[in-house]
Amino acid sequence: GQNIDQPTEMTATEGAIVQINCTYQTSGFNGLFWYQQHAGEAPTFLSYNVLDGLEEKGRFSSFLSRSKGYSYLLLKELQMKDSASYLCAAMDSNYQLIWGAGTKLIIKP
Amino acid sequence: ETGVTQTPRHLVMGMTNKKSLKCEQHLGHNAMYWYKQSAKKPLELMFVYNFKEQTENNSVPSRFSPECPNSSHLFLHLHTLQPEDSALYLCASSQVGRENTGELFFGEGSRLTVL
Repeated sequence: GQNIDQPTEMTATEGAIVQINCTYQTSGFNGLFWYQQHAGEAPTFLSYNVLDGLEEKGRFSSFLSRSKGYSYLLLKELQMKDSASYLCAAMDSNYQLIWGAGTKLIIKP
Repeated sequence: ETGVTQTPRHLVMGMTNKKSLKCEQHLGHNAMYWYKQSAKKPLELMFVYNFKEQTENNSVPSRFSPECPNSSHLFLHLHTLQPEDSALYLCASSQVGRENTGELFFGEGSRLTVL
């Protein structure tokens, strides 16, 4: 079956770095997405990886290893506004998105 | 208006009521989606429309009935729902094609409570 695993909840300190991991098992693979969702708001796109390696976008970076079925989202210089849920989703061979349950990130002062 | 807008934002209904959720996208996309989001569960894809044609129906109960009159509008008609249908219903759109990653643009959702 197809499956996405990510931690349910993480806590980090303002100004620090946090890494949110995601492992996936899909029938075929056409890329890995990360979305951010603040409470009561729409999920918004953060990143897309289809090739192995690290993609950096400001304070956020996303990494992919296709051979390991593994991705992570790295958040640097954490700010209180980064408190949100982070959703990992892998696109299978039929271009369907398989979603994880999301990681709730709590930032403490 | 920009992006994807959903109405109503909140809806409370009894099990015998009939109501509809509305979604409108202003991005010129060719695909629209309905997702169900329940607490601590992955997003569940319900329906997909490409160029107004329904291409996915993930074993959704018939008490949910989608309608896509054109590529910018999507409805979800609700009838005789159950309390377990209480959830956040998210509409999304994307541009599907060879040159696109399929990134989804979500509306803010309609929070449905079934009593």
